[in-house]
Amino acid sequence: NAGVMQNPRHLVRRRGQEARLRCSPMKGHSHVYWYRQLPEEGLKFMVYLQKENIIDESGMPKERFSAEFPKEGPSILRIQQVVRGDSAAYFCASSANPGSSGNTIYFGEGSWLTVV
Amino acid sequence: GIQVEQSPPDLILQEGANSTLRCNFSDSVNNLQWFHQNPWGQLINLFYIPSGTKQNGRLSATTVATERYSLLYISSSQTTDSGVYFCAVERSGYSTLTFGKGTMLLVSP
Repeated sequence: NAGVMQNPRHLVRRRGQEARLRCSPMKGHSHVYWYRQLPEEGLKFMVYLQKENIIDESGMPKERFSAEFPKEGPSILRIQQVVRGDSAAYFCASSANPGSSGNTIYFGEGSWLTVV
Repeated sequence: GIQVEQSPPDLILQEGANSTLRCNFSDSVNNLQWFHQNPWGQLINLFYIPSGTKQNGRLSATTVATERYSLLYISSSQTTDSGVYFCAVERSGYSTLTFGKGTMLLVSP
């Protein structure tokens, strides 16, 4: 886990507000993934990004959610006009060489979003 | 997509007991990882094990890729082993992990 940094760890938003979650990958990793964990459930893939590119967003809700991984700075998961159903833990992960032998994926400690 | 099934869904053990957790998957994989999510929600990497056997202290894991399953062994369990254990696989040709629903383990003193 060491090295994937997420912030904030906990975030409370009122319905209709925006939530921004940040993720800095491990040093040397250029591939970032976002997963969502709803209460009492497993982790579900949302989006996979490489620097400045979205590689796979098949798990992202079609509306209100967006992600970016700019050339400089952390990856951002943005949720607009939050609703109570968005309350969940959002985990970021990073890796060095997806699809290759020995490619371990490392997770951050998660960001817990509560919508009130 | 690939299916990942873990069993049992829940497990209660007395401290000191041994246990085996299972993960079945429906397609060939180039990555399989076991994680422990502790009661504080942190995801801890346990093993990267697409095939073969590895050991780390009281924990060991075996993956038989040709038969599409992996086993996680916990020996001499301790209360700190409590939490949810997830198996996650990366399907061959893909770059993202698919998680099972987890096994919730409670070790009582």
